[in-house]
Amino acid sequence: EDQVTQSPEALRLQEGESSSLNCSYTVSGLRGLFWYRQDPGKGPEFLFTLYSAGEEKEKERLKATLTKKESFLHITAPKPEDSATYLCAVQALRGGNEKLTFGTGTRLTIIP
Amino acid sequence: EPEVTQTPSHQVTQMGQEVILRCVPISNHLYFYWYRQILGQKVEFLVSFYNNEISEKSEIFDDQFSVERPDGSNFTLKIRSTKLEDSAMYFCASILAGEQYFGPGTRLTVT
Repeated sequence: EDQVTQSPEALRLQEGESSSLNCSYTVSGLRGLFWYRQDPGKGPEFLFTLYSAGEEKEKERLKATLTKKESFLHITAPKPEDSATYLCAVQALRGGNEKLTFGTGTRLTIIP
Repeated sequence: EPEVTQTPSHQVTQMGQEVILRCVPISNHLYFYWYRQILGQKVEFLVSFYNNEISEKSEIFDDQFSVERPDGSNFTLKIRSTKLEDSAMYFCASILAGEQYFGPGTRLTVT
């Protein structure tokens, strides 16, 4: 069974204070690892897909990296508008476009 | 920018009633999904749909649930007889080139 564990559950940072969110996963063959941002009462907003160990992707203040066991979402010099829950999900390589299995998320709060 | 849309944004229904949640996926996407998120919990897969048929479903997706693509644009989730525990956010998603895009969700409240 595919599993995704995210840590920490919640993180409070001062504006400008960089940090990293962790996503550990087990999956029987990884097709892709997804990062989403979710604001309260909204749908997940797609950020990145990573496909192989060593891959990195960046978008504004966010950078996602992937190893064979975990992924990190690095946030550099965050601003209050980066406050949200960040979700990690894996998609297994079992043929076809498989479902996503999600973690419980990290609730990030950036204090001005 | 193309986006997935869902209606209604909020549905309140009484236990035992039927509800239909509607989605319009991104037009050139081929795979469609329904997920749900109970308040404070993780996003959970319900069902995937490809080429006008279910390709995978979870244990949650029992006989009370059904999906349809009644025309070329809409994708629906029907719950035949709602239960209190069906109260959740329901998200539709569609996929293209490895990127799975979610709609804004329908908040279903069963009383």
